[in-house]
Amino acid sequence: DVKVTQSSRYLVKRTGEKVFLECVQDMDHENMFWYRQDPGLGLRLIYFSYDVKMKEKGDIPEGYSVSREKKERFSLILESASTNQTSMYLCASNSRSGYETQYFGPGTRLLVL
Amino acid sequence: RKEVEQDPGPFNVPEGATVAFNCTYSNSASQSFFWYRQDCRKEPKLLMSVYSSGNEDGRFTAQLNRASQYISLLIRDSKLSDSATYLCVVRSNTGNQFYFGTGTSLTVIP
Repeated sequence: DVKVTQSSRYLVKRTGEKVFLECVQDMDHENMFWYRQDPGLGLRLIYFSYDVKMKEKGDIPEGYSVSREKKERFSLILESASTNQTSMYLCASNSRSGYETQYFGPGTRLLVL
Repeated sequence: RKEVEQDPGPFNVPEGATVAFNCTYSNSASQSFFWYRQDCRKEPKLLMSVYSSGNEDGRFTAQLNRASQYISLLIRDSKLSDSATYLCVVRSNTGNQFYFGTGTSLTVIP
């Protein structure tokens, strides 16, 4: 069974704080992704990575950075949290090969005050 | 133009009804297709993959029409537990990106 875990289910931070969201997958997947999901806007891709130390910007990378030092772990960093970054953050992973689908972690609900 | 478009609904149907969701995608070279289900305040989970020949899983039937770039999901004999948001998902031809529709909301009413 594929397992994607995220470090926190709920987080409350203050404006200007640095925020780390961690994601770990146990299926040796090459590809990992960070999305945010907001009502009416659906899932929006922030960053993705298809190998260790590799990263690619998604549709909305501004205000975020990522780190992938190990294959199983993909971290999302909010350098200076702002209220408009209040959202549900979802990590996902998939195998690069074939037609396999993407598997999601349980999500982190971040509130920035 | 969005990569994937679907009617957001909401669809409110009585128990036992048949309901169909549709989705269109813009990249004709897209590689593979899926329907996900997302419950309130939870992560999306794979419901079923969509194959060119069409495929069925119990009360759920998925169809793909590559010529029209169109994907559908049919739910027969709706149950209360089917209430959720259904997301149409397309995997790019490079295999590295997934494109999500905004989801269609379904509520099954007793």
